[in-house]
Amino acid sequence: AQTVTQSQPEMSVQEAETVTLSCTYDTSENNYYLFWYKQPPSRQMILVIRQEAYKQQNATENRFSVNFQKAAKSFSLKISDSQLGDTAMYFCAFLPGGVEEYGNKLVFGAGTILRVKS
Amino acid sequence: NAGVTQTPKFQVLKTGQSMTLQCAQDMNHEYMSWYRQDPGMGLRLIHYSVGAGITDQGEVPNGYNVSRSTTEDFPLRLLSAAPSQTSVYFCASSYSKDGHTGETQYFGPGTRLLVL
Repeated sequence: AQTVTQSQPEMSVQEAETVTLSCTYDTSENNYYLFWYKQPPSRQMILVIRQEAYKQQNATENRFSVNFQKAAKSFSLKISDSQLGDTAMYFCAFLPGGVEEYGNKLVFGAGTILRVKS
Repeated sequence: NAGVTQTPKFQVLKTGQSMTLQCAQDMNHEYMSWYRQDPGMGLRLIHYSVGAGITDQGEVPNGYNVSRSTTEDFPLRLLSAAPSQTSVYFCASSYSKDGHTGETQYFGPGTRLLVL
């Protein structure tokens, strides 16, 4: 069974600074996908970034980027130029892939609360 | 496109009562899922479906039933509510890529359920 661990329950950062959220996972799969989702106080789940395990290149989306270390099973999220609107709970999630897999069976970490301070 | 919609937004039940949480999507997605979110535990998969007429259990299926008679709808039924089912419930949908998983899941706004 896959597990996802987010070791930082809460973090804070000053506006305009950079912060990194950690995520590690455990799997025996070779083909899978990793996601970071943002959940603001509205509770809506918003996709931040997606990484395909077979791609070496780290995914980036504007101010958001990941450091994907497949051998170490690590998938950290870096937020640059933090904004007040980035304040939210952030979830790391794992999705098994491969021809034999089907269905959207995401496995989530417990989440990290990020507070951006002005 | 409305995306993924869920009703109701909030519900209070008494122990032993039954109810159905509704979920619908208008994106013609094959895959739909139900998750529950509890403090300190992230989201956990309850049931999922890979197409109309096909459902399967996730990590925490006990106390819940699902069916998928159409591509659009995926209701979650609580037959006899228990306080342990107090949670926030999310429905999600996605499409397959080349016949298997990989694509982004789109989430509904959630239903907050309180069982007394």
